[in-house]
Amino acid sequence: GDSVTQMEGPVTLSEEAFLTINCTYTATGYPSLFWYVQYPGEGLQLLLKATKADDKGSNKGFEATYRKETTSFHLEKGSVQVSDSAVYFCALGTSGTYKYIFGTGTRLKVLA
Amino acid sequence: GAGVSQSPSNKVTEKGKDVELRCDPISGHTALYWYRQSLGQGLEFLIYFQGNSAPDKSGLPSDRFSAERTGGSVSTLTIQRTQQEDSAVYLCASNPPGDYSGNTIYFGEGSWLTVV
Repeated sequence: GDSVTQMEGPVTLSEEAFLTINCTYTATGYPSLFWYVQYPGEGLQLLLKATKADDKGSNKGFEATYRKETTSFHLEKGSVQVSDSAVYFCALGTSGTYKYIFGTGTRLKVLA
Repeated sequence: GAGVSQSPSNKVTEKGKDVELRCDPISGHTALYWYRQSLGQGLEFLIYFQGNSAPDKSGLPSDRFSAERTGGSVSTLTIQRTQQEDSAVYLCASNPPGDYSGNTIYFGEGSWLTVV
């Protein structure tokens, strides 16, 4: 069945460091891919998404490119801030179905 | 309201008691989901509603769990005879009609359940 695998955390970085959180997927059909973020004490919210191969999603300085050849959707940010400390979830949704499959989440902690 | 609303935000209950968790989705959203987030775990799919019907209940962990949705809007997740392993955050989400694959799914802030 469809699945999402993302790197385990926690990831601890200094402010202004470069961030990569890896995400790979397996899916039948042509999924859309998402990154959701959960700030402390809050619900999940969409960070960015890409709906077809080679699309790049971007928001708040974060980027991820839908790579069909490597079945990946890695999240990157060039310079993290303390306020980026949160849990990040990679997810996929497959056309014609209703299910969204989420990864286990990666906790990011950014130190000042 | 503007977003998905869940209540209660926190619930502490004694083992063996029943609990009800409520979700009020975004107006006009026909699809509604329940997920469970246990400590250190990812999101576990529980059930999906399309309107008032639930085409897939396969994620419900046991027959102690049930859910309903009325008027194509509010949903209630009921856990009977709660056990300590039911302690988790229960997340509700909704999304609008259309091609689900690319639709953003909108989450509530969750109901944190602790069974003591």
